Amino acid sequence: AQSVTQLDSQVPVFEEAPVELRCNYSSSVSVYLFWYVQYPNQGLQLLLKYLSGSTLVKGINGFEAEFNKSQTSFHLRKPSVHISDTAEYFCAVSLLNDYKLSFGAGTTVTVRA
Amino acid sequence: DVKVTQSSRYLVKRTGEKVFLECVQDMDHENMFWYRQDPGLGLRLIYFSYDVKMKEKGDIPEGYSVSREKKERFSLILESASTNQTSMYLCASSFSTDTQYFGPGTRLTVL
Repeated sequence: AQSVTQLDSQVPVFEEAPVELRCNYSSSVSVYLFWYVQYPNQGLQLLLKYLSGSTLVKGINGFEAEFNKSQTSFHLRKPSVHISDTAEYFCAVSLLNDYKLSFGAGTTVTVRA
Repeated sequence: DVKVTQSSRYLVKRTGEKVFLECVQDMDHENMFWYRQDPGLGLRLIYFSYDVKMKEKGDIPEGYSVSREKKERFSLILESASTNQTSMYLCASSFSTDTQYFGPGTRLTVL
C-alpha cells in the first residue's frame, strides 16, 4: 500500500517570500500525485497533479511542484506568497488505475505581512 | 464547474442518534467518496462507491455505512453516533482515476 509523509506540519512565512512544502511518498509501483489546498472553512481544491510526462508541474495561483522518482518526492513551491495563500495544503497519491487517494497529514501555511 | 454539495455545514447530535450525511454531485461522476478529516491525521477514506448500489470499504469503515441509490447522491450513515465520531466529514466525486472534487464539508459534533 502507498503512504504519504508531509515533512512539515506548520510553515510560517512572510508575504512575498518563497515557500516550499515537502512531500514524500512510498510505493513499490508507479503512482499519480496531487496537491490540494483547503482555505479556512472550505472543502479541498486541486492545486496541481502529476500523471505522466514532464516532472515539473505548474498549477493554479503560481504554484508548481517537481516529481522526483529517485527520491520519491513531490515538493510544492511558490516563489512569492500572498496573505491569501494562508491555508492547509495536502499531498495525495494514488496508484495507477485506482480510484482511491491516500493523503498526507497536511501542512498549515500561515503568511504574515 | 463541478459542484459537490453537502446537506449541512454544521450538525450537532447526541450519542446514540442515527445520523445521515447527504452528498450530491452534478457532473455525472461515477465515483463518490466519504472522508473524515481530523487535525494531524489528514483525510481518511471511510467508504467509496464506483457505481449505483456499489460500495467498498475504505480505511476506517467501522461505525459507518453508506447508501447510493442514485448516481448523483451518496449518503453516509452513522447508525449510532458516538463522541469519537465528532469530526469534519468531506464528500468527493470523480470521473475515473482523475481529480477528485470536494464538497464544503460537514462539521459534526456528537455530544
